[in-house]
Amino acid sequence: QVQLVESGGGLVKPGGSLRLSCAASGFTFSDYYMSWIRQAPGKGLEWVSYISGSGTAINYTDSVKGRFTISRDNTENSLYLQMNSLRAEDTAVYYCARGADDLPLDYWGQGTLVTVSS
Amino acid sequence: QSALTQPPSASGSPGQSVTISCTGTSSDVGGYNYVSWYQQHPGKAPKLMIYDVSERPSGVPDRFSGSKSGNTASLTVSGLQAEDEADYYCSSYAGSNNLVFGGGTKLTVL
Repeated sequence: QVQLVESGGGLVKPGGSLRLSCAASGFTFSDYYMSWIRQAPGKGLEWVSYISGSGTAINYTDSVKGRFTISRDNTENSLYLQMNSLRAEDTAVYYCARGADDLPLDYWGQGTLVTVSS
Repeated sequence: QSALTQPPSASGSPGQSVTISCTGTSSDVGGYNYVSWYQQHPGKAPKLMIYDVSERPSGVPDRFSGSKSGNTASLTVSGLQAEDEADYYCSSYAGSNNLVFGGGTKLTVL
């Protein structure tokens, strides 16, 4: 069965960096677009970024452009999100999901909490 | 890109039907048939309930249905059950390779 397991969240100071990982199993990882979606405490969902199966197509929401970098390792069935210059407003649960902008997000991980605070 | 507009809350009694709206613009909901709906129980990850406006993934009860008219998409839950109580989010492709979500609707089963 499809499984997505995020890791790497934690407490970081403003301006700091964090790298999130998402381990995928149960499907042919390289065949699928993957996305990161976040949810601030008590708030709604916000799409952050997606990457194509080959890694050649990438996009970000405007608020993270230039600060976050999405990548994947198809040999390790893993998805990553490098987050730099973190701000308080980046505090959220970060989910990885299979799918993209015009493809349904059909499987989601359990999420990993990122807290940006001094 | 602005968030899609959903009512903050909706409610219904067991067995009744309830419809949740999701209003966007011609640049997102009205322009593409890539509207999805997600169910989220407290502390859990979202679950895909409807995609491409009205398609249901396998395993989702046929009590859940989706539709669209102009710039507004709708999710209808028929025969409400206690386990349907959750937050529901719509999403839509918004052009230029962007995805936008609605603010979410808390569905209460009375």
